[in-house]
Amino acid sequence: EIVLTQSPGTLSLSPGERATLSCRASQSVDSSHLAWYQQKPGQAPRLLIFGAASRATGIPDRFSGSASGTDFTLTISRLEPEDFAVYYCQQYGTSPWTFGQGTKVEIK
Amino acid sequence: EVQLVESGGGLVKPGGSLRLSCAASGFTFSDFGMNWVRQAPGKGLEWVSSINPTSTYIYYADSLKGRFTISRDNAKNSLSLQINSLRAEDTAVYYCARSGAGRLQYYFDSWGQGSLVTVSS
Repeated sequence: EIVLTQSPGTLSLSPGERATLSCRASQSVDSSHLAWYQQKPGQAPRLLIFGAASRATGIPDRFSGSASGTDFTLTISRLEPEDFAVYYCQQYGTSPWTFGQGTKVEIK
Repeated sequence: EVQLVESGGGLVKPGGSLRLSCAASGFTFSDFGMNWVRQAPGKGLEWVSSINPTSTYIYYADSLKGRFTISRDNAKNSLSLQINSLRAEDTAVYYCARSGAGRLQYYFDSWGQGSLVTVSS
């Protein structure tokens, strides 16, 4: 199975700062089938990005995704108070679909 | 508006069985693949199972094969997950989630609120 390793485990930043989250795959992900989700405490996850770089419906343009080989990045250009949460990447190119372990973005 | 509402969770003894259901509304259910994803308390997300719109393709996480059975009823806009031989490590919130539009788009664009399954004696 494809293992996704997210880094860092925790990112401590202030509102207005730029956040860069990494997700590295243990092997090639078919057709850039990589998604990003945001999860806040007590809530279901929310889809942010699919196809490595396509924003889901209603997602602000401060969220962007990119890919380079087996390395995927989620960037939040300017953190808003509501962006502090846990972020997961997920690959859906090869079964079994797998998630990364998550990156927590916390207020510094 | 897409709505996914899970039910059927609760406290179950080890070795017991449980059937989770997900009622879907707000979209043409028979056009979309559906999925179950779980999250143990304080842990990350774990994909459980997926089923395509016509039930011809079904996928399971390798570690769960044999105990979990996913099914759907397109006439009733309903998704189910049968779990047998429950273990303590199956304790989790189980989410019903819709697949993205199009063939083989097994990302999850809408989620239910989750149903808690607790396995304990």
